[in-house]
Amino acid sequence: GQQVMQIPQYQHVQEGEDFTTYCNSSTTLSNIQWYKQRPGGHPVFLIQLVKSGEVKKQKRLTFQFGEAKKNSSLHITATQTTDVGTYFCAVPDQTGANNLFFGTGTRLTVIP
Amino acid sequence: DGGITQSPKYLFRKEGQNVTLSCEQNLNHDAMYWYRQDPGQGLRLIYYSQIVNDFQKGDIAEGYSVSREKKESFPLTVTSAQKNPTAFYLCASSQAGRLYEQYFGPGTRLTVT
Repeated sequence: GQQVMQIPQYQHVQEGEDFTTYCNSSTTLSNIQWYKQRPGGHPVFLIQLVKSGEVKKQKRLTFQFGEAKKNSSLHITATQTTDVGTYFCAVPDQTGANNLFFGTGTRLTVIP
Repeated sequence: DGGITQSPKYLFRKEGQNVTLSCEQNLNHDAMYWYRQDPGQGLRLIYYSQIVNDFQKGDIAEGYSVSREKKESFPLTVTSAQKNPTAFYLCASSQAGRLYEQYFGPGTRLTVT
C-alpha cells in the first residue's frame, strides 16, 4: 500500500527553539499539502507545494519541496506555545483517485 | 457563514447499535470525505464522494456506510459490524480534484460501550 513516512513522530522543544518535520514518499509526487491540527481540534490546511525545489514561507514557517519531488519539510523558527499541535503532510492517492493520503503526523510540544 | 458542520460533537452508543453521524457543508464543494482518527494516530480514509449519488470506499470502509443524495450532505453510518467503532470521526470537503485543499469539520467523538 501507499506509504508516506513522516518523522519524527514526536518532538518536544523549548519555546524559542527551532523545529523541523520531514515527509518522505517512495514515489514522485505531483504536489504535497501540509495541515496543522491543534489538540482537540480538526486539521487546518496550511499550504500546498507543487514545483520541484519550491520554498514557501508563512511568517516563522518555511515549507520546502524536494528537487526530486519525493520529500518535503516544514521548519518552524523560534517556536511559540501557539505552535503546539500535530503537523500532517498529505499527498495524492497513488491509485489515481482524487483524494489525499495523510502521513502519520508529527506531534509538537512546546515547553514554555 | 461558510463551512462544514458535524453533529453531534460527542456521541455515546451501546454496542450493537447503528449510529449515523451528520456532515453538512455550504461551501458548494463537489467532493466530500470521511476520516477516522484514533488517539495519537493519523487520518484514515473511510469513504469519499466526488459527486452527488456516487461514492467510493476508502482504506477502512468495512463496517461503515454512506449516502450522498444532496451536494451539501454526506452522512456516515457506523454499523454494528464495525468491530472497534470508538474513535474521532472527521468530515471534510473540497473542490473536486487533487490540487485542492480539504476543509474539515470540527469532528464527532464516538464512544461505543
